Amino acid sequence: DGGITQSPKYLFRKEGQNVTLSCEQNLNHDAMYWYRQDPGQGLRLIYYSQIVNDFQKGDIAEGYSVSREKKESFPLTVTSAQKNPTAFYLCASTVDRGHTEAFFGQGTRLTVV
Amino acid sequence: AQTVTQSQPEMSVQEAETVTLSCTYDTSESNYYLFWYKQPPSRQMILVIRQEAYKQQNATENRFSVNFQKAAKSFSLKISDSQLGDTAMYFCAFMKVSGTYKYIFGTGTRLKVLA
Repeated sequence: DGGITQSPKYLFRKEGQNVTLSCEQNLNHDAMYWYRQDPGQGLRLIYYSQIVNDFQKGDIAEGYSVSREKKESFPLTVTSAQKNPTAFYLCASTVDRGHTEAFFGQGTRLTVV
Repeated sequence: AQTVTQSQPEMSVQEAETVTLSCTYDTSESNYYLFWYKQPPSRQMILVIRQEAYKQQNATENRFSVNFQKAAKSFSLKISDSQLGDTAMYFCAFMKVSGTYKYIFGTGTRLKVLA
């Protein structure tokens, strides 16, 4: 079945550590996105990529980094510079930047311990 | 900049009844899309319905329909014959048809369907 797979489902990070969240899709979609979800704040865009080897900052990119070396993969690294990383992270994709329906993964819950 | 506002943090409805979720948005764009996404307890986001701004006819998908008022910048979702499986967080979203094609999401409305 085609879809988006995020792993792990739960992730715990110690203060000062970098962690990487995985997002893989087998939908052959060109565009991929990372969102952060906090209670009462909806979804906020961290980074997005519309083609391989290219990505753009979203609204809250500080403390995060991404790469897009393969079409099907868009990992997100939460660095130690992110002051409040505890949140739910969602990865999404669209066929290309002109197609409007987004397909989402099941999310990763990151907790700083 | 575009903004999306959902003024109802929580709502409840009896099973089989009808409920309307509100959404307003602000934009200077003339061509854009509006969406309602559902996030059930599993947290998997699912597209419920989509509306193109250039279309005057309101979109419908089975029990789900929208009331799109372009001049008022209002985009409400009506759920008819509510079912227990409709219990979820509902997000209103905006996307302009140019540039970066980014979604702008509202803060969500938590809907609980009561048996």
